[in-house]
Amino acid sequence: GAVVSQHPSWVICKSGTSVKIECRSLDFQATTMFWYRQFPKQSLMLMATSNEGSKATYEQGVEKDKFLINHASLTLSTLTVTSAHPEDSSFYICSAIRRGHSYEQYFGPGTRLTVT
Amino acid sequence: DAKTTQPPSMDCAEGRAANLPCNHSTISGNEYVYWYRQIHSQGPQYIIHGLKNNETNEMASLIITEDRKSSTLILPHATLRDTAVYYCIVSLNSGGSNYKLTFGKGTLLTVNP
Repeated sequence: GAVVSQHPSWVICKSGTSVKIECRSLDFQATTMFWYRQFPKQSLMLMATSNEGSKATYEQGVEKDKFLINHASLTLSTLTVTSAHPEDSSFYICSAIRRGHSYEQYFGPGTRLTVT
Repeated sequence: DAKTTQPPSMDCAEGRAANLPCNHSTISGNEYVYWYRQIHSQGPQYIIHGLKNNETNEMASLIITEDRKSSTLILPHATLRDTAVYYCIVSLNSGGSNYKLTFGKGTLLTVNP
């Protein structure tokens, strides 16, 4: 149990367009979801934290108007990269906390975004 | 910034125990020690966590020193599939959105046949 999926697993888009990435908890309700970004050969960096039905909390230096997060339900969070640029190319990973299991974050498999 | 220090890389022979050290000398009394690992191009995976007592689960054992300034993750019988980057993280466990993980550079463990 405790599976988190992401869709798509990889996407290529043109500069200036927007891309939406979905994060779903398949078999549990997620009280909180997190979005991370990972550049090649670097570690994960937390971008934002979201709770169902409320606005996301962004980490310092992350543009909230560029990275739109919508946590529509207890099983779905979406990250939209607006007006993407090549420097937004990265590995985006979400995670979720399951109700009653606050000690563990369940991570999705990640989405590879390439902006050309 | 990450509050832990780990060696950048380690090697281990298949079938042998892998002992991964972590220094967290500035850990505060209410912070837990978490271990996650990331296999190449995948999302991280939770391994184990502890506060001050040693912990064991089906994946690994966690040994925390009495002063809590360092810990060791032990994989008792490493396999090739254990090759990954291992992250040692200290974090408050107050649940929900307060449970933030700050990833450092981790240790790349390579298990050799």
